[in-house]
Amino acid sequence: SQQGEEDPQALSIQEGENATMNCSYKTSINNLQWYRQNSGRGLVHLILIRSNEREKHSGRLRVTLDTSKKSSSLLITASRAADTASYFCATDGFPIQGAQKLVFGQGTRLTINP
Amino acid sequence: SAVISQKPSRDICQRGTSLTIQCQVDSQVTMMFWYRQQPGQSLTLIATANQGSEATYESGFVIDKFPISRPNLTFSTLTVSNMSPEDSSIYLCSVDQTGYREKLFFGSGTQLSVL
Repeated sequence: SQQGEEDPQALSIQEGENATMNCSYKTSINNLQWYRQNSGRGLVHLILIRSNEREKHSGRLRVTLDTSKKSSSLLITASRAADTASYFCATDGFPIQGAQKLVFGQGTRLTINP
Repeated sequence: SAVISQKPSRDICQRGTSLTIQCQVDSQVTMMFWYRQQPGQSLTLIATANQGSEATYESGFVIDKFPISRPNLTFSTLTVSNMSPEDSSIYLCSVDQTGYREKLFFGSGTQLSVL
């Protein structure tokens, strides 16, 4: 399976601290994306990093990608209570039998304590 | 961006019945997908909804159990048929406006509980 694995499964930190989540995947990819899910509802796209990029920033988010290790990390700096959510990585990989799809990792449940 | 309206937001159903979930997008989109998220788990793709033709199902999902319609480029339905408690999950509609799989937009999900 191409499905990504994320660690930790759960992370609890104090407000203001930085949160780091990791994602590993198994096959070659074109890009890797990170999504946030609040309380089991719809996912929101956060950031995309392409296979030829090593690092990308968006506001308080920093994403790194190491294609040699097939891994990515998402760093959220200066965390806020509103960052409490589940975070998923998603990889596109190569089409399987012509079908195009994203494969999501298992997710990290992040809790920010006030 | 795309705004997706998914209904119902939640439902509690009896074993053996069926539920149809609707997904309405505010603009025409290239690709629409249906995902299932079992409790505490990640998202699993059920199928790609194809406009004007039969949906493309992923391994482990069949049309008799999850019939899908997509009559136009802004609307799709997913039916969960002959439900059992194992079907209790969140079902999510998702769209890809460009077809390049670089950014998916999601509906708010349907939380289904089967008794």
